Amino acid sequence: EPEVTQTPSHQVTQMGQEVILRCVPISNHLYFYWYRQILGQKVEFLVSFYNNEISEKSEIFDDQFSVERPDGSNFTLKIRSTKLEDSAMYFCASSDLGYGYTFGSGTRLTVV
Amino acid sequence: SQKIEQNSEALNIQEGKTATLTCNYTNYSPAYLQWYRQDPGRGPVFLLLIRENEKEKRKERLKVTFDTTLKQSLFHITASQPADSATYLCALVTAGANSKLTFGKGITLSVRP
Repeated sequence: EPEVTQTPSHQVTQMGQEVILRCVPISNHLYFYWYRQILGQKVEFLVSFYNNEISEKSEIFDDQFSVERPDGSNFTLKIRSTKLEDSAMYFCASSDLGYGYTFGSGTRLTVV
Repeated sequence: SQKIEQNSEALNIQEGKTATLTCNYTNYSPAYLQWYRQDPGRGPVFLLLIRENEKEKRKERLKVTFDTTLKQSLFHITASQPADSATYLCALVTAGANSKLTFGKGITLSVRP
């Protein structure tokens, strides 16, 4: 069964550093997303991406965040200057509209 | 304000019984509703999707109902097994919202052998 692949599985970074989280969505899906889940809390929407541009973003997705699909297969989330409160599991997902989403296993980001 | 509520944080049942999980929502007009399973430290796994014009969907031991008048979905697992122990998440997709999912907090199901 097709999978969404995320790397790295764990990332520890110092506050103020930039991080890039990487994802390979399912190849024939058209919609791509990033979600995050702070420990013990619900899964929260960050951003959706369609047709090579952001289609929607949440209040969490401020100027410190950016997304790219640099080569037609990878989908990246960049956090420019990490804060302690960015520590969370970050999930990439892809879908065809009207169907269930396929999530990756996540990247656990720890900001120290 | 908009809310998605899942009726309790935890549900404990005996193996073989039917688990029923509830998802209520307010101030949403969902185009469809989805249920996911999440295991600790893992991403959500899609289980079932039901559209606003559908009343019921089934998949093997799983059944979901959707009542847009009550603004409620029920998720049933029949003949439950210890392997069904996980957190179950309800998620809404609203029409015109570019298909983003809005999740409830989830209910943790424990099935005792």
